[in-house]
Amino acid sequence: QQQVKQSPQSLIVQKGGISIINCAYENTAFDYFPWYQQFPGKGPALLIAIRPDVSEKKEGRFTISFNKSAKQFSLHIMDSQPGDSATYFCAASMETSGSRLTFGEGTQLTVNP
Amino acid sequence: ETGVTQTPRHLVMGMTNKKSLKCEQHLGHNAMYWYKQSAKKPLELMFVYSLEERVENNSVPSRFSPECPNSSHLFLHLHTLQPEDSALYLCASSQGQANTGELFFGEGSRLTVL
Repeated sequence: QQQVKQSPQSLIVQKGGISIINCAYENTAFDYFPWYQQFPGKGPALLIAIRPDVSEKKEGRFTISFNKSAKQFSLHIMDSQPGDSATYFCAASMETSGSRLTFGEGTQLTVNP
Repeated sequence: ETGVTQTPRHLVMGMTNKKSLKCEQHLGHNAMYWYKQSAKKPLELMFVYSLEERVENNSVPSRFSPECPNSSHLFLHLHTLQPEDSALYLCASSQGQANTGELFFGEGSRLTVL
């Protein structure tokens, strides 16, 4: 059963635009929501993460918005740059699941110059 | 060497072959993981080792056999694989559990089963 659904599957944005990727989860026990960024030929790397006690977290041009009642969270990339072109994965985990991270399907972002 | 290194980066094998994937982490972490990455699918957690003890085996077929001889090394032994096992296999490590510690991934081993 897919517990974290991610959309869109692919996204094309012009340089300077805003990229928005959405994720929805089912399990209300999830308490940690990271986003990972993966460049071609590389492994995923942690980009930013949030816990449900806050509704938003911002790090530079990257912002996570979290809606606990809707069980949704999203990644916003402001002033998108060609160097942001990568695959982005949302994920979720809960304290009782220990080492298990449930990932979304991934979004391939292309930022055109 | 820094971070998480995986070898080989690319592997082509027949269905009757036996091969192994190797992962080494230089971060002093106490947990190591194998993930399978297939196109347009979520990363699938296969195995988790914490302090060299397997703590999770996510219903993975027995043709995949993990080994963790110490906290820095992780192997994935492969035998009699199927074409649908072709994928990118990612190793990761963390200090502590996944919901408190960051996962550090290697660059992966691209496996093709003929």
